[in-house]
Amino acid sequence: KNEVEQSPQNLTAQEGEFITINCSYSVGISALHWLQQHPGGGIVSLFMLSSGKKKHGRLIATINIQEKHSSLHITASHPRDSAVYICAVEDNDMRFGAGTRLTVKP
Amino acid sequence: ETGVTQSPTHLIKTRGQQVTLRCSSQSGHNTVSWYQQALGQGPQFIFQYYREEENGRGNFPPRFSGLQFPNYSSELNVNALELDDSALYLCASSLGRGGYGYTFGSGTRLTVV
Repeated sequence: KNEVEQSPQNLTAQEGEFITINCSYSVGISALHWLQQHPGGGIVSLFMLSSGKKKHGRLIATINIQEKHSSLHITASHPRDSAVYICAVEDNDMRFGAGTRLTVKP
Repeated sequence: ETGVTQSPTHLIKTRGQQVTLRCSSQSGHNTVSWYQQALGQGPQFIFQYYREEENGRGNFPPRFSGLQFPNYSSELNVNALELDDSALYLCASSLGRGGYGYTFGSGTRLTVV
């Protein structure tokens, strides 16, 4: 069993839909990261969370430390949101989920 | 402040050769971590360097080695390349031994033929 599990693995949505990606982890962490990776490969850090909720534009990330669970929400999705979204947990090093491939169709 | 820069962006090598990948850390960061990401998978931790010393290593063979310089930039060296070493190699810099505020580079895509 992976230490960081994401669901779903693949997600296709229509433009404008509300999207949720989930992440569960089984290890103790100091922080959780949501990352975005486009086809070129570069990774952009979206959020770093240690508790509660953060919002940036149309993106919202929440974390429940007791339940070891985090969610990334995208409101009013757009085709440019199409990317792989990766959950990663941080302790002494970074451990990554396998990613969720999101495709938003116009 | 500058971000994390990796070079080269793409590289093709022949099986058995050696390769050196480079990473410049973000200004103010003293820790560099290297990751290997095979196609369709999440990144896997290779090793981390903190203030020029190795500070943790993942499940990679000794032919994967690294170095961190006094300016906190870093190199990843891979000897005796194998076809399975073909992957995207990511570098991230952060602050402190435990790591804080990871900033990722754009990666080096290595193809071994």
